[in-house]
Formats: sequence, structure tokens, C-alpha cells
Amino acid sequence: GQQLNQSPQSMFIQEGEDVSMNCTSSSIFNTWLWYKQDPGEGPVLLIALYKAGELTSNGRLTAQFGITRKDSFLNISASIPSDVGIYFCAAYNFGNEKLTFGTGTRLTIIP
Amino acid sequence: DVKVTQSSRYLVKRTGEKVFLECVQDMDHENMFWYRQDPGLGLRLIYFSYDVKMKEKGDIPEGYSVSREKKERFSLILESASTNQTSMYLCATRQGAYEQYFGPGTRLTVT
Repeated sequence: GQQLNQSPQSMFIQEGEDVSMNCTSSSIFNTWLWYKQDPGEGPVLLIALYKAGELTSNGRLTAQFGITRKDSFLNISASIPSDVGIYFCAAYNFGNEKLTFGTGTRLTIIP
Repeated sequence: DVKVTQSSRYLVKRTGEKVFLECVQDMDHENMFWYRQDPGLGLRLIYFSYDVKMKEKGDIPEGYSVSREKKERFSLILESASTNQTSMYLCATRQGAYEQYFGPGTRLTVT
């Protein structure tokens, strides 16, 4: 099935740095979601976006729903060790039960 | 907070066994989903259900069946487990067009 293009695939950063990742699609979506997954665990919902142009924060995390409705961005400020994990974007349209997922960004913090 | 629980975190079964994976949610959500997650392949939808006794095939339903007798419970059944069904299985739940929440996952190994 279709997947969202997520970049970068992996990031190696130092503690305290800011992080940016994005997700793009060839199709328009009404809703964008961002998840974090720790090894051996299920994805945990971080942020949900419902309106084009919307900017939403959750602590040190900020996500934006692109104005074209074909992309979304996630920023993490002042990274800490517990931010390590895999971040997924997901998107869907109202009336369609299936989510389309991004390929994931693996975040590693270098000591 | 939405709570999605899965019956087992780790499961080891033999080839040919019938396997039941159970998922329970406590938020009265209509939609429930079963995914499998494999390295390099991402999250793939097996089956979903939008109401009691209703089910729809996802992208990879072969070798699986599901049951939803009560709104809060969605079961995934492997009729005759095979080694290529070794995977991480994730249940998820969603109410209408809103956020989708995942369970903690079941790591199934078929030997």
C-alpha cells in the first residue's frame, strides 16, 4: 500500500540539539498524526493535526499541518535522552478508516 | 486516557497451532484495527472492524481471521500459525475521524 515519504530516515544528534523531520505525500489528507515508538513497544500518539496550516505543540514538540495538506513537520526542541526512538507520521481522510504511515525517522542521541 | 490492552506481550507458538491474540479498549471506540509490523516493511493493516460483528479486510488478511463479538474486544486469529507470521502485532482503536491509539504490541514467535 501507499506510504508517506518521511525524512530523514535517521538522525544522530547531541543532547540539547533541536530536531526537525518531515513527511510528504502525493495525495491530500485531512488529518495528520505523529507517533513515537520505543523498541518493543506500541506507537504512542504525540500530536494530532486537523486543519491545514495548523501549528500544535505538546511540551517540547511542535508539529505543523502543511498548507497544501500534502505534508507535515515535527520539531523537537532541546532534545533529551528519552527522545530516542522511532518517530512515525500517519495521515488519513475522513470516511476512510485506513491510516497511511510514514517510513519512520530513527532518532539517536550521541553521548 | 485511552487504554488499549493486548492479552500477551510475548508469545511463542509452534507451526500449525491456532493462535488467538486479544485486544481490549476501554473508550467505547467504534473502530478497531490489527496491524503487523516487520523491519523494513513498516506497519501493515491485517483487518479492521467499524462495529460489532463487522469486519473488513486490510492489506494482508491471508492466513488471519478476526472476531468482534463485543464493542470493546477485537480478536485476531491465526488459524494455523506459520513461521512467516512471526512478527510484532499491534492493535489500535479510533473513534470516528479522530486520533488512533495503539496497544503495547504482542511479539509473536512461531517456531
